[in-house]
Amino acid sequence: DAGVTQSPTHLIKTRGQQVTLRCSPKSGHDTVSWYQQALGQGPQFIFQYYEEEERQRGNFPDRFSGHQFPNYSSELNVNALLLGDSALYLCASSLEGSTDTQYFGPGTRLTVL
Amino acid sequence: AQSVTQPDIHITVSEGASLELRCNYSYGATPYLFWYVQSPGQGLQLLLKYFSGDTLVQGIKGFEAEFKRSQSSFNLRKPSVHWSDAAEYFCAVGNPWNTDKLIFGTGTRLQVFP
Repeated sequence: DAGVTQSPTHLIKTRGQQVTLRCSPKSGHDTVSWYQQALGQGPQFIFQYYEEEERQRGNFPDRFSGHQFPNYSSELNVNALLLGDSALYLCASSLEGSTDTQYFGPGTRLTVL
Repeated sequence: AQSVTQPDIHITVSEGASLELRCNYSYGATPYLFWYVQSPGQGLQLLLKYFSGDTLVQGIKGFEAEFKRSQSSFNLRKPSVHWSDAAEYFCAVGNPWNTDKLIFGTGTRLQVFP
């Protein structure tokens, strides 16, 4: 049973570019959350997707957007990249209504030059 | 505002020694509390969680944590540390309406000497 998978593992972009990160949830899960973890910091909640819609959002600008597909996988898009967007982006999945907590993927390391 | 404070940025212990990692939270209601561990290049792994009931919670890998409402604390403990416990540890707080939306502390890096 595969856990949460994310791609790519690492990514290097330049300021102003756009990036798309991908996440496949753990088998049986239907809810995906995204977190940003800057160097030396704890993860910060970006948003959560359920039933292909954004359900909750953290304090992130509109440059951060997402999508959830019918197979529950998800994408995180960041437009107009800034140097400060350099971070580890974590995806987590869970099953709506379950008492089990969310499972995290290994993350995508984004470097903006 | 909801927040989590982990006052120790870096802790070094000898293998076999006891360990306590501190966590203080600020939350308006009864919090849902979590401890996660992150090894280099890895995602977050849940060690334990507290939702309600017994304030002493047992987790995986021999860890336990105690919820103290009067002190707004949820400290993580282990009686005897192993070299493989070296990692970054994060305390987090959530709410009953969405336990996936967590507020994390800045983490404590644990180094273990043989």
